[in-house]
Amino acid sequence: GAGVSQSPRYKVAKRGQDVALRCDPISGHVSLFWYQQALGQGPEFLTYFQNEAQLDKSGLPSDRFFAERPEGSVSTLKIQRTQQEDSAVYLCASSLVGTTEAFFGQGTRLTVV
Amino acid sequence: GENVGLHLPTLSVQEGDNSIINCAYSNSASDYFIWYKQESGKGPQFIIDIRSNMDKRQGQRVTVLLNKTVKHLSLQIAATQPGDSAVYFCAETSSWGTYKYIFGTGTRLKVLA
Repeated sequence: GAGVSQSPRYKVAKRGQDVALRCDPISGHVSLFWYQQALGQGPEFLTYFQNEAQLDKSGLPSDRFFAERPEGSVSTLKIQRTQQEDSAVYLCASSLVGTTEAFFGQGTRLTVV
Repeated sequence: GENVGLHLPTLSVQEGDNSIINCAYSNSASDYFIWYKQESGKGPQFIIDIRSNMDKRQGQRVTVLLNKTVKHLSLQIAATQPGDSAVYFCAETSSWGTYKYIFGTGTRLKVLA
């Protein structure tokens, strides 16, 4: 595709609800990252995949957060039992392995009410 | 994402003037730095990067300066245009080719007509 695609663009969840956020990286990009961006802040690293392998999940804030990339392309970030503090924009980025230029999607704005 | 930069430091510049955006980074071990531009409702967009073995790097209308002694990074935009209005983030990482960027808090650039 032309760029990194994320869906949905906006998501409103009731507190306690589970949500799933999808990321379609640029075709051929081995590396995929998830970042969380709170209002007025810079993005913060959540997790990193190289193909289907999740090599780093140190940024996931709690065990309610889970990410997967089962076939090495599309990735899903799942948040269980959402809390108000989970409200943020969730950004996905992809890159070729061995490069540092990451291409970001537009993000999914999650609002927990 | 939307409303990026709601409470960020703001730099207002007259159209046609040069802009200088500053960033202090935290990790003396960081050896690769990137500037990203984020427009409202969009993901961060790569502008320019620099490795720690360089002091200066120039792109199209943009220049990045790195001062490792004081851990300071700056982005200079020549002949600022209305389309440059956005939030600008610096990001650092400790090894070229890795994925785990640490983003600064960002600066909102407003271009005055």
